[in-house]
Amino acid sequence: QVTLKESGPVLVKPTETLTLTCTVSGFSLSNGEMGVSWIRQPPGKALEWLAHIFPNDRRSYSTSLKIRLTISKDTSKSQVVLTMTNMDPLDTAIYYCARTRPGGIPNAFDIWGQGTVVTVSS
Amino acid sequence: DIQMTQSPSTLSASVGDRVTITCRASQSISIWLAWYQQKPGKAPKLLIYKASGLESGVPSRFSGSGSGTEFTLTISSLQPDDFATYYCQEYESYPDFTFGGGTKVEIK
Repeated sequence: QVTLKESGPVLVKPTETLTLTCTVSGFSLSNGEMGVSWIRQPPGKALEWLAHIFPNDRRSYSTSLKIRLTISKDTSKSQVVLTMTNMDPLDTAIYYCARTRPGGIPNAFDIWGQGTVVTVSS
Repeated sequence: DIQMTQSPSTLSASVGDRVTITCRASQSISIWLAWYQQKPGKAPKLLIYKASGLESGVPSRFSGSGSGTEFTLTISSLQPDDFATYYCQEYESYPDFTFGGGTKVEIK
């Protein structure tokens, strides 16, 4: 069974750096076609894609947030980590990790984590 | 960057209705479009990939069509479990992705 689970702080202060971890099971982060993205959703708003990492460690970032984001993976721990610097109250959102479905590139997100709520407030 | 525009933003319908949601891309994305269903407090669920491919386990009342810049998601006979928000997502610019603004399907 393929699962993804996000973890990280519930509350961060403005200007701090957020670190989120996505722990995956049921598939490998180091081979195959399936990458992992981070996606967020502010309260009552639409989904926003943030960053993606491939099995070969290639990375891609949202143009608007690129300077603040870093995505990485620890294959031995089956974890994908997202850091976002200089947090602002506007970054308050549910943060999801999601896997691209197997069966070729490009592809959609077939498995999502449950999401983790992050609130930015002093 | 590609922009994705969904319409309508809210749709009121009754059980049994045929429902159609439209998604327009700011430039051609071929068939690289997905549709997701999201219920309150839950993660999105993949319904349709590659514009018209039905994800495994998704009821056949859901269908997708379109190519280029205009796409539709159709629910042939709306069921109580289908009241939710629906998002389109392009992946032509993979590994960059863009979501639409969402369409909330409400009970009429």
